[in-house]
Amino acid sequence: GQQVMQIPQYQHVQEGEDFTTYCNSSTTLSNIQWYKQRPGGHPVFLIQLVKSGEVKKQKRLTFQFGEAKKNSSLHITATQTTDVGTYFCAGGDGSGGYQKVTFGIGTKLQVIP
Amino acid sequence: EAQVTQNPRYLITVTGKKLTVTCSQNMNHEYMSWYRQDPGLGLRQIYYSMNVEVTDKGDVPEGYKVSRKEKRNFPLILESPSPNQTSLYFCASSYLARTSGAWGTDTQYFGPGTRLTVL
Repeated sequence: GQQVMQIPQYQHVQEGEDFTTYCNSSTTLSNIQWYKQRPGGHPVFLIQLVKSGEVKKQKRLTFQFGEAKKNSSLHITATQTTDVGTYFCAGGDGSGGYQKVTFGIGTKLQVIP
Repeated sequence: EAQVTQNPRYLITVTGKKLTVTCSQNMNHEYMSWYRQDPGLGLRQIYYSMNVEVTDKGDVPEGYKVSRKEKRNFPLILESPSPNQTSLYFCASSYLARTSGAWGTDTQYFGPGTRLTVL
């Protein structure tokens, strides 16, 4: 079945440093979504990428979807303490005529003030 | 206010005692899903539903049942809970959108979570 690998699992950065998390799928994806989960909270949708090679920006966050639609990244420029949380990618597989969603393991980001 | 609600939020039970975790959404979403979250394993899909009376297994369906009799509700049933089902459970809902020739989820809205402990 579909597998979505996400690295790193943990990342500690000094406030102001950049941060990147990567996702790789074993199969070609229909789309990829990114979510953020604050400590003690629930996952909150950030963005969805659909097209091959797509790049989207949300303020300090940049999301990319690979040309082969098998990998994606989330990059945060100049981290702030409010960025603390776990970031998940979620790959959609439409190959069966329906969509199954597989989440990556998540990257837990700690920002040191 | 658009939301997904889950009840109960916390539950401690004993092995073998049947329980139901309710999930309800007020956004008229077609797609609903249950996930469990365990340390080091991320979010794993248990069951999902594309619409009323349409459900399918996710990655870890063993020991769970679901039903979708109404569009807004998607209860998760543990007929005979065991300690390995101790976990944090999330319900989520979404519109369906057509991307790359297939129907799939749009933004998933998650409930607040249910922390279940099975002794």
